[in-house]
Amino acid sequence: GESVGLHLPTLSVQEGDNSIINCAYSNSASDYFIWYKQESGKGPQFIIDIRSNMDKRQGQRVTVLLNKTVKHLSLQIAATQPGDSAVYFCAAAMDSSYKLIFGSGTRLLVRP
Amino acid sequence: SAVISQKPSRDICQRGTSLTIQCQVDSQVTMMFWYRQQPGQSLTLIATANQGSEATYESGFVIDKFPISRPNLTFSTLTVSNMSPEDSSIYLCSSHPGDTEAFFGQGTRLTVV
Repeated sequence: GESVGLHLPTLSVQEGDNSIINCAYSNSASDYFIWYKQESGKGPQFIIDIRSNMDKRQGQRVTVLLNKTVKHLSLQIAATQPGDSAVYFCAAAMDSSYKLIFGSGTRLLVRP
Repeated sequence: SAVISQKPSRDICQRGTSLTIQCQVDSQVTMMFWYRQQPGQSLTLIATANQGSEATYESGFVIDKFPISRPNLTFSTLTVSNMSPEDSSIYLCSSHPGDTEAFFGQGTRLTVV
């Protein structure tokens, strides 16, 4: 089966610094990956996704890197802002099913 | 994108009773999913709600406990039956409107007392 794990439960960064959140997955057949942001009392909010035919994808202030060789992906947030404080989840799926397996979550704390 | 509305947004229920959670999507979607998020934890998939057929449940979840309806392409319900305090969680529905990322509702925060 699939399991998705995160390396750090809590990440504290200084406002303005870059943040890197890491995630490992176990199923090499996973071919679709998403990062979600969840603020307190809200549902997960889509940040960025990447398919297995790509190594890198960039959005606004965010970049996702995928290393299929070691089954690892990361989310990089540039110039972290207080509004970025939330719990971040990675999720993996086999594209044909769209069933998402979520990681355990990393809480990002931004220090002013 | 898709807008997903869930109700109720929260409820406090007595043990032994049942609660039905509704999920409405603003467009027709093929796939709808129900997840559970226990306090301080990640999301776990309960089942896939299939339009026109029975839901497909993940390991550890059964239809008698979590009956699901999917009467059309924009709506689904999840019932949490015979509730116990261990069922206290946030329940979320999501959908994939075509070949795009999954969108989530705001969740239903259930407390069983």
